[in-house]
Amino acid sequence: QSALTQPASVSGSPGQSIAISCTGTSSDVGRFNLVSWYQQHPGRAPKLLIYEDTKRPSGISDRFSASKSGNTASLTISGLQAEDEADYFCCTFAGTNNVIFGGGTQLTVL
Amino acid sequence: QVQLVQSGAEVKNPGSSVRVSCKASGGTFNSYTINWLRRAPGQGLEWMGRIIPLLGITNYAQSLQGRVTISADRSTSTAYMELSSLRSEDTAVYFCAGQSTVVTPFEHWGQGTLVTVSS
Repeated sequence: QSALTQPASVSGSPGQSIAISCTGTSSDVGRFNLVSWYQQHPGRAPKLLIYEDTKRPSGISDRFSASKSGNTASLTISGLQAEDEADYFCCTFAGTNNVIFGGGTQLTVL
Repeated sequence: QVQLVQSGAEVKNPGSSVRVSCKASGGTFNSYTINWLRRAPGQGLEWMGRIIPLLGITNYAQSLQGRVTISADRSTSTAYMELSSLRSEDTAVYFCAGQSTVVTPFEHWGQGTLVTVSS
């Protein structure tokens, strides 16, 4: 199954808001309410930011929010901070033998 | 709090195999699902497969079927990932990640293990 589609890079200035899209199909993103988002800093393990399309785990800043419409999910980061500079990945369950990730989006804080 | 600790970096020749371990602590290994993922240089994350230690059930990504084997030792709360017939494209950082069920997110991650395939 093909990877989910994310923009390769996005950028924003401190204090601004940015959004990262994640497009799949009616067989994956559109079929299950199971999109999750991960943040990965260089040399570190990924960190869960969002699960079940829109839910935030405890301890994750409310500057991170997410939505989904049809086959496209989106992650929004508000009040950008320097520490937000990282790679971001969307992911969805798409069947017992199928977990699909997006190609990743590199966020640059200008 | 569950902690996952992986084995150290490996350098392997093309055509050989590698085995990476992932030891869990601070939680109930038997009630967990352990996944293996990897990230090659300049690439995104790729899910490789999972094991449900309590049931001994494994699922594998179709792209790696036949080359990857995931196992678990419940007595030591350790999961293993073995990848065979290594090629240069398998050079990547390999992660184990834990989830409560197969549909919940990857809540806990190992620190990653760099596997380099080079002659």
